[in-house]
Amino acid sequence: SAVISQKPSRDICQRGTSLTIQCQVDSQVTMMFWYRQQPGQSLTLIATANQGSEATYESGFVIDKFPISRPNLTFSTLTVSNMSPEDSSIYLCSVDTGNYGYTFGSGTRLTVV
Amino acid sequence: SQELEQSPQSLIVQEGKNLTINCTSSKTLYGLYWYKQKYGEGLIFLMMLQKGGEEKSHEKITAKLDEKKQQSSLHITASQPSHAGIYLCGADIKGSNYKLTFGKGTLLTVNP
Repeated sequence: SAVISQKPSRDICQRGTSLTIQCQVDSQVTMMFWYRQQPGQSLTLIATANQGSEATYESGFVIDKFPISRPNLTFSTLTVSNMSPEDSSIYLCSVDTGNYGYTFGSGTRLTVV
Repeated sequence: SQELEQSPQSLIVQEGKNLTINCTSSKTLYGLYWYKQKYGEGLIFLMMLQKGGEEKSHEKITAKLDEKKQQSSLHITASQPSHAGIYLCGADIKGSNYKLTFGKGTLLTVNP
């Protein structure tokens, strides 16, 4: 199954600033997924990132707030823009590894103060 | 309402005891995934179930998907402190192939 390296593992940010989260996969994958897990809540899909095209966002998430890059088949970034305390969450990237299900990165714990 | 109901929300067991976590949907599940999450970290894949009546085991953990493909259970036999964590079920409930819906998770504590 694929191995994902996600950075940073955690950060504390000032409101109004932006944070970019990176995910590097050790193999080429077509689709990468970005999730948010708010405190005490389940995971919610933010968007799906395909290489060579714009990301597809789920209802309630917009590109201006969560711009995503997918420059190649092994890498993607998610930026959380103009942050507010409500953005404090764990952000996770994920890829489909077929028989091993969906592999997740180790997560980025974001605290906005 | 939550599309994927997971129960119980939390569970405290004594080491050596068996336990079961349930995941229920009102819709047909096209694929059901069980994950374990340590606090504040990423998800560790446990098992994937796709066929009605399917059952898989890995070490002391067994997961089943019912015949109607609307409910799954995760059973841990002779629990150990290493089993502690948050167990999450995720499912493809719309036949979309990749848009997983997750339950809220079950926090398992195993007391030595």
